[in-house]
Amino acid sequence: SQQGEEDPQALSIQEGENATMNCSYKTSINNLQWYRQNSGRGLVHLILIRSNEREKHSGRLRVTLDTSKKSSSLLITASRAADTASYFCAAFSGGYNKLIFGAGTRLAVHP
Amino acid sequence: GAVVSQHPSRVICKSGTSVKIECRSLDFQATTMFWYRQFPKQSLMLMATSNEGSKATYEQGVEKDKFLINHASLTLSTLTVTSAHPEDSSFYICSARRSSGGANEQFFGPGTRLTVL
Repeated sequence: SQQGEEDPQALSIQEGENATMNCSYKTSINNLQWYRQNSGRGLVHLILIRSNEREKHSGRLRVTLDTSKKSSSLLITASRAADTASYFCAAFSGGYNKLIFGAGTRLAVHP
Repeated sequence: GAVVSQHPSRVICKSGTSVKIECRSLDFQATTMFWYRQFPKQSLMLMATSNEGSKATYEQGVEKDKFLINHASLTLSTLTVTSAHPEDSSFYICSARRSSGGANEQFFGPGTRLTVL
């Protein structure tokens, strides 16, 4: 089963615009992670936010976490065509045993 | 550091044959490795958790006799898809957790694209 549900499933924007992707999860977490996957390729770890953090930044990425709502968002500012990829949130289930992924958002950034 | 490799990166086989996929942690020891499957335009679904020297733990709905996992050393886990059928065609991704690190230190391989004809 998936730990997270993401919306939107697909997002199409123009270069320079911001992209916001949301993730909701079901169980208690210690942290939540975001990954990127280019088409047909492996995963790239983007950022990890701990349960006691509300916001975290990394370059053009901004992640928020609301544990009361069991939700997280990933914001990519000033998007570029190279940001075109699928983005997944993931959190551990069963203690620290299993990393479970959300459904993902397919982002398309048009030049 | 923390590189995970998979071999092969792409494989095409005939229905009924078995295919072995290797996952190696190149510069660290991994007590635990994970195997995921990903269908087109879908998310990664965890298939099984593999601990070195012990039997793998399979997720609900994953046939252990069809997807054989061997984690014989701290740097190698293999997934064998036995008697493969076209519905087994998928992208298989392994992940390795560093033995010396915390639970957050989990690294992913580049994936193996399996096509069963």
